[in-house]
Amino acid sequence: SQTIHQWPATLVQPVGSPLSLECTVEGTSNPNLYWYRQAAGRGLQLLFYSVGIGQISSEVPQNLSASRPQDRQFILSSKKLLLSDSGFYLCAWSELAALTDTQYFGPGTRLTVL
Amino acid sequence: GQQLNQSPQSMFIQEGEDVSMNCTSSSIFNTWLWYKQDPGEGPVLLIALYKAGELTSNGRLTAQFGITRKDSFLNISASIPSDVGIYFCAGSTGANSKLTFGKGITLSVRP
Repeated sequence: SQTIHQWPATLVQPVGSPLSLECTVEGTSNPNLYWYRQAAGRGLQLLFYSVGIGQISSEVPQNLSASRPQDRQFILSSKKLLLSDSGFYLCAWSELAALTDTQYFGPGTRLTVL
Repeated sequence: GQQLNQSPQSMFIQEGEDVSMNCTSSSIFNTWLWYKQDPGEGPVLLIALYKAGELTSNGRLTAQFGITRKDSFLNISASIPSDVGIYFCAGSTGANSKLTFGKGITLSVRP
C-alpha cells in the first residue's frame, strides 16, 4: 500500500532564516505531487504541483520554491522566511496514470515563523 | 475561477443525531471527493464519487454525486464524538487536473 511521509512534523523558525520541508511517497511510481498551505481556520491553498522529476508548476507567486529531485521526493524551500509563511503545510500525491484525481494527503508540517 | 461552496462554516449537533453537508458549484465537475481533517493532521479521504447520480456509503457516511454534476452531499448518521473535525469537499474536472476545494465545515458533536 502507498504511504506518504512529511518531515519535520513541526518547525519554529526566525524571520529571514531558510526553510526546507520534505515529502516522500512510498508504494507507487511516477505520482503527481502537490504542496498545499493551510492558514489557521482556513481552507487549502495549492502552492506547487509536479507531474515528474524536475517538473514544477507554481500556482501562487510567493517567497517559496519547490523541487523534485527524485520520483517520489518533493521539497518545499525558502531562502528567507517571512512571518506570513507561517501555516500548516501539506503534501499530497495522486496517481499520474489514473483516470481520477483523488489526492492523498500526508500528515502535514506545522511551521511557525517568529 | 471555479469555486466550491460549503456552508455553514460551523455546525453543532448532539451525539446520535444525523447531519447533512452540501457542496455546490457553478461549474461542472467529473469527480467529487469528501475529506475529513482532524486537528493537527492531514485530510483523510472519506468517499470518492466518479459518476453523476452515484450514491456511495462508507460505514455511517453516505455521499452522493449530484445529477447536474454541480453538487454533492455528505450524510453522517448516528454521530459520535470522534466525528468532530473539518469536512472538506473537493472537485475535479478531469484526469490529472487540479482539485478545487471548498473552505470546509467544522463539525462539533456534543456528548
